Amino acid sequence: GQQLNQSPQSMFIQEGEDVSMNCTSSSIFNTWLWYKQEPGEGPVLLIALYKAGELTSNGRLTAQFGITRKDSFLNISASIPSDVGIYFCAGLSNSGYALNFGKGTSLLVTP
Amino acid sequence: EAGVAQSPRYKIIEKRQSVAFWCNPISGHATLYWYQQILGQGPKLLIQFQNNGVVDDSQLPKDRFSAERLKGVDSTLKIQPAKLEDSAVYLCASRYSGLAGGLDFGPGTRLLVL
Repeated sequence: GQQLNQSPQSMFIQEGEDVSMNCTSSSIFNTWLWYKQEPGEGPVLLIALYKAGELTSNGRLTAQFGITRKDSFLNISASIPSDVGIYFCAGLSNSGYALNFGKGTSLLVTP
Repeated sequence: EAGVAQSPRYKIIEKRQSVAFWCNPISGHATLYWYQQILGQGPKLLIQFQNNGVVDDSQLPKDRFSAERLKGVDSTLKIQPAKLEDSAVYLCASRYSGLAGGLDFGPGTRLLVL
């Protein structure tokens, strides 16, 4: 499958700080998704983006579908300890078969 | 609505042994996926089913891995014989047919091959 480059690999921040992470691809995607995975659990969908340029919010989370359709970013505002986890971007290409995942951004939040 | 169910949650086997994982998707979800997640990596697709037919198994190591979804509902993933590098979390996911977008994941089965 297509390779997604996710950065940063990890982040260690204090509670209340804002967080930004992004994902890039050499291929065009029709859909970008952001998932969060906590220890011992499967990934849980946070935000889905379906159109280039789309900006979508879900509480303190905001994500954008890049104009080129080759990138996306996720912002978390005013982080809290329960934001701890691994955040994955995933893209769905024209073939529409299955999601390609990035390697994840590990987020640690200290009180 | 009940989520995607998987069992067992954990499995430890020795190399060259066989192992099977079971998945029950969300009711009404026609599309089912098996992903392999190695520690520190994102999930990698192994196989995708649409009802009881295989849509994509291009990344399934067919010499040792097999999967079936005989009645278009439950699915089983088997590894025979297991290798050390098969140690990973095996995630099952499903989605409602016809809609591009998010998949609903199960909690995964953690496999350790010694």
